[in-house]
Amino acid sequence: GQQVMQIPQYQHVQEGEDFTTYCNSSTTLSNIQWYKQRPGGHPVFLIQLVKSGEVKKQKRLTFQFGEAKKNSSLHITATQTTDVGTYFCAFGSGGYQKVTFGTGTKLQVIP
Amino acid sequence: SAVISQKPSRDICQRGTSLTIQCQVDSQVTMMFWYRQQPGQSLTLIATANQGSEATYESGFVIDKFPISRPNLTFSTLTVSNMSPEDSSIYLCSVESSYNEQFFGPGTRLTVL
Repeated sequence: GQQVMQIPQYQHVQEGEDFTTYCNSSTTLSNIQWYKQRPGGHPVFLIQLVKSGEVKKQKRLTFQFGEAKKNSSLHITATQTTDVGTYFCAFGSGGYQKVTFGTGTKLQVIP
Repeated sequence: SAVISQKPSRDICQRGTSLTIQCQVDSQVTMMFWYRQQPGQSLTLIATANQGSEATYESGFVIDKFPISRPNLTFSTLTVSNMSPEDSSIYLCSVESSYNEQFFGPGTRLTVL
């Protein structure tokens, strides 16, 4: 079945530095979603992108969906310790929107 | 948004036994989803539970191992049967909003000895 790979797997950044995680699919996706999972917590929905080339911003977070709808990125500007967690991209498919999760990028922010 | 609760929040079980996990939603939903998250890994969909019909299982998951009930539009259970240490994971239920986003319960952390 369809899979999405994320890079990097892990990232350590100094507080205040920027961070980017990339999500890549071998097939065209109808949509891309992003979730954040804090340590010990459950995934929390951040955003959904559906249009080719779409860019959305949430405060310091910028989400992009590639022109070919095969890749996506999440960029965090000036990281804070509250950004610590694992970021997953995911995509919906099927009539009932089954959601398949990417491999995830674990972010550590060093104060 | 939906508020989801799960019971138990965690459990330690002996191999060969079974555990039933409950998921309660504060509103009526058509579909409920069950995921497994092995330590340090991503989430893998186990099955989709539609009220009034048999659950639909993903490749690699079978009903004998993970029987699911969906007696009404706000409740579902997942049983992990004949457990082995490889079943040690976090089990999460989720529901879908009208905008396709998934809302997750807090998860059940299972350790099998």
